[in-house]
Amino acid sequence: AQTVTQSQPEMSVQEAETVTLSCTYDTSENNYYLFWYKQPPSRQMILVIRQEAYKQQNATENRFSVNFQKAAKSFSLKISDSQLGDTAMYFCAFMLTYNAGKSTFGDGTTLTVKP
Amino acid sequence: EAQVTQNPRYLITVTGKKLTVTCSQNMNHEYMSWYRQDPGLGLRQIYYSMNVEVTDKGDVPEGYKVSRKEKRNFPLILESPSPNQTSLYFCASSSDLAGTNEQYFGPGTRLTVT
Repeated sequence: AQTVTQSQPEMSVQEAETVTLSCTYDTSENNYYLFWYKQPPSRQMILVIRQEAYKQQNATENRFSVNFQKAAKSFSLKISDSQLGDTAMYFCAFMLTYNAGKSTFGDGTTLTVKP
Repeated sequence: EAQVTQNPRYLITVTGKKLTVTCSQNMNHEYMSWYRQDPGLGLRQIYYSMNVEVTDKGDVPEGYKVSRKEKRNFPLILESPSPNQTSLYFCASSSDLAGTNEQYFGPGTRLTVT
């Protein structure tokens, strides 16, 4: 069984600054995906970024990037130039490559961007 | 437009009255899932389906039923709802054929059981 841990229930950052959200996971599998999803106050789940475990290069999507440390089973999300619209709950999620149905989520981190 | 739809969006019911929450996707995804979201507990998977007539338990299946008779639909059934099933429910669909495994989520169903 897989587990995902987000150790920061709440975080805040000043607008335009950089913030890093932490995620650790545990698995005995080798082939998997890791995701960060954003859930704004509207409650809609939005994919922020995806990382394939076999890729050593860290994924980047505009202001969002990850630090993927496979040996340490760590998958942190860095948000650069934070914007007010980044205020949301962020979830880290794990999924096996060969089973796109079974997924495990962390408990989430509520991020507040302050003006 | 690619989307996952859920109905109803909001539902208030009483203990023991059977209810069904529908979920439909238009992306021809083989996988579909149901999650519940409770404060401080993140999203917990209830059931998922790998294809028509193939389903499997997630982490919190007790008190729920599902069926997958058509590829596009995956209803969640609460045969005898109890107050501890008050929660926000999400349906999602995904595919591992495109090499992304990204899950597409519905808008959520807020269920209150009194």
